[in-house]
Amino acid sequence: GENVEQHPSTLSVQEGDSAVIKCTYSDSASNYFPWYKQELGKRPQLIIDIRSNVGEKKDQRIAVTLNKTAKHFSLHITETQPEDSAVYFCAASRSFSGGYNKLIFGAGTRLAVHP
Amino acid sequence: NAGVTQTPKFQVLKTGQSMTLQCAQDMNHNSMYWYRQDPGMGLRLIYYSASEGTTDKGEVPNGYNVSRLNKREFSLRLESAAPSQTSVYFCASSVFPGNTEAFFGQGTRLTVV
Repeated sequence: GENVEQHPSTLSVQEGDSAVIKCTYSDSASNYFPWYKQELGKRPQLIIDIRSNVGEKKDQRIAVTLNKTAKHFSLHITETQPEDSAVYFCAASRSFSGGYNKLIFGAGTRLAVHP
Repeated sequence: NAGVTQTPKFQVLKTGQSMTLQCAQDMNHNSMYWYRQDPGMGLRLIYYSASEGTTDKGEVPNGYNVSRLNKREFSLRLESAAPSQTSVYFCASSVFPGNTEAFFGQGTRLTVV
């Protein structure tokens, strides 16, 4: 069945370092890849997304890359700050019969940024 | 503009009891979803409604039922709660099913004892 694998499950970095989180998906028909950030006790919120016709997208300190051939996509956070500490989820949208798309989430990465 | 609103925020149930989680969105979105979040397992889709009048099963539908009452409201019902249903439940909505930003409610922390 459909699957999104996310690594690592936990990541600890020093403030100012970069952080990279990687995801792989199983369905080659997936065409939408969002990333969500969830702070402790709060709801997940979209931070960046990419569609299958684009290889890379940047928004200030965050960027996402997509390799459709390898079915990999990654989140890159540069110049990390303590407020980047959160759980990050990747997701992939795949199509089902009837024309519906469903988001399938990875298990999450707990990022800790230490001052 | 409240976004996605869930009620209640917290609930404790005894095994075998039933309850309904309510969700409403005021963004005129077509699609609505129910997820559960368990430690180390991410967000798993329980049921979704691609548009008003339709509902379909997600990854983990057993033990749950849903109703898309109208375009705004999507409820999740536990007919006979089990301890395995202890989780945090999130409702979400999006303009279109699955390939546009999903906006989440604040979550319901459910404990079944």
